[in-house]
Amino acid sequence: GENVEQHPSTLSVQEGDSAVIKCTYSDSASNYFPWYKQELGKGPQLIIDIRSNVGEKKDQRIAVTLNKTAKHFSLHITETQPEDSAVYFCAASISRYGQNFVFGPGTRLSVLP
Amino acid sequence: DGGITQSPKYLFRKEGQNVTLSCEQNLNHDAMYWYRQDPGQGLRLIYYSQIVNDFQKGDIAEGYSVSREKKESFPLTVTSAQKNPTAFYLCASMGWNTEAFFGQGTRLTVV
Repeated sequence: GENVEQHPSTLSVQEGDSAVIKCTYSDSASNYFPWYKQELGKGPQLIIDIRSNVGEKKDQRIAVTLNKTAKHFSLHITETQPEDSAVYFCAASISRYGQNFVFGPGTRLSVLP
Repeated sequence: DGGITQSPKYLFRKEGQNVTLSCEQNLNHDAMYWYRQDPGQGLRLIYYSQIVNDFQKGDIAEGYSVSREKKESFPLTVTSAQKNPTAFYLCASMGWNTEAFFGQGTRLTVV
């Protein structure tokens, strides 16, 4: 079955710097890769997703890149702000439906003022 | 306000007791899911349901049970057979061609 690894487990950056979180997956059949942000004591929220027919997707300060050959995808946050501090989860799936999601272990991002 | 609501936010269970976690959505979503979250780990799927009166086991279903009698509701029972139930439980729902929406979670502690 699918296995998703995520690095780093913790990441501290200065406000205004960029942050990059990387995930690798094992199942070449996976074709949908969402990223979720979870604030303390709350449920995860989708921040961006990408499908396997696209190499990069951007939404304001957030971007995701996908390398299907290498089976890895990354989240890039530019001009980080304190409110970006949270736990970020990547996931891989062979479809859009939740029963197929395999989540990474999460990255705790701290943005220092 | 449309959304997905979990209750209670905090729940304490004694050894050998069954407890039920509530999950309600008014998004008209067909699919609903229960995940378990442990520190330092990703979300793991317990059960899911794609339609009323039907549900399937996820990766870690042992010690849990669910029902789906109404489209809006997908309660999770943590039974006494679950040996290590202390965790953060998340419910999610998904509609056709929508993202997954998560509730705010229930933190269950065994006392």
